[in-house]
This record gives sequence, C-alpha cells and structure tokens, in this order.
Amino acid sequence: SQTIHQWPATLVQPVGSPLSLECTVEGTSNPNLYWYRQAAGRGLQLLFYSVGIGQISSEVPQNLSASRPQDRQFILSSKKLLLSDSGFYLCAWSAGLGHNEQFFGPGTRLTVL
Amino acid sequence: KQEVTQIPAALSVPEGENLVLNCSFTDSAIYNLQWFRQDPGKGLTSLLLIQSSQREQTSGRLNASLDKSSGRSTLYIAASQPGDSATYLCAVLIQGAQKLVFGQGTRLTINP
Repeated sequence: SQTIHQWPATLVQPVGSPLSLECTVEGTSNPNLYWYRQAAGRGLQLLFYSVGIGQISSEVPQNLSASRPQDRQFILSSKKLLLSDSGFYLCAWSAGLGHNEQFFGPGTRLTVL
Repeated sequence: KQEVTQIPAALSVPEGENLVLNCSFTDSAIYNLQWFRQDPGKGLTSLLLIQSSQREQTSGRLNASLDKSSGRSTLYIAASQPGDSATYLCAVLIQGAQKLVFGQGTRLTINP
C-alpha cells in the first residue's frame, strides 16, 4: 500500500531564516506530487505541483520554491521566511495522469516568529 | 474562476441522526469532486471521489452525490457517531489543470 510522509511535524523558525520541508511517498511510482498551504481563515491553497522529476509548476507567486530531486521526493524551500509563511503545509500525491484521487500527508505546522 | 462553498460552516447534532453536508461550485467544468475529512491538527483523509460522469458514490455510512449541471454535491452521513466529529472538506478538480479547489469546510460535532 502507498504511504506519504512529511517532516518535520512542527517547526518554529525566526523571520529571515531558511526553510526546508520534505515529503516522500512510498509504494507507487511516478506520482503527481503537490504542496498545499492551509492558513487560518483562508482554506487550502495549492502552492506547487509536479508531474515528474525536475518538473515544477507554481500556482501562486511567493518567496517559496519547490524541487523534486527524486521520483518520490518533493521538497518545499525558502531562502528567507516571512511572517506570512506561517501555516499548515500539506503534501499530497495522486497516481500519474488522469483525474485521480489525491491523498494527503500528515502535514507540517510552521510558525514564523 | 472556480469557487467552492460549503454550508453550513458548523453543524452540531445528537448521536444517531442522519445528516447532510452541502457543497456548491460555480463552474461545472470539473473532472471530479472529492470529499475529505480533517481532524484537528491532522492531514486530510480522502472519503469519497466522484468522477464528473458519476452521480453518486457510497462508502459504508457515507454517500456522496454530484449534480454537475447545478454545481452541487452533498455528503450524507447515516447514523452519526461521536467519532464522525471532524471538519469535512469538499474539493473539485478543475478541467485543464491539476488543481484541486477547496471549500472552507463544515465543522461537524456529534454529541453523545
């Protein structure tokens, strides 16, 4: 069966510090991968998605970036965090092409102080 | 621009009742609609997926319907239990994109 992991589970970082969040998927090959952010009162927003290694699409302009160095690894990064980057970050995957179900990871709670 | 609305924002019912959660979307050009459950501080658990060509899906005590032409979906929960307490989110996958657009959710509380 497929599983999705995210770490760390929680993170407290000062403004201006760098960020690296990691997501890995097990039990499937060539998944579509997604990063979402859930901010209080704003619902879930898609940040990035990837259909293959090195292929990243950005949905919203921001100071975050994403990378996919391996088939089942998706990384969310920032060089300098802003207060507004605080939120709950969720990684998700779906099976390849098509209109398939998305499955979510446990999330990372990021607080920027 | 696709917008997804869920009403009510919060719902509290006694244990054992049957209940309906509502989801509406503004653009009928969707690939599918997905219902999720989210417990506090946790990720999303997928409950049901309805493809645009389908009208309903069932899983245990849950039944989801889709009326694409009117832009509506409902999630029916039968014989509610305290363990059903959570936030329920619906999301549509819009055509021409890999993007799920989410509603704000309905926070459900089942009282013992």
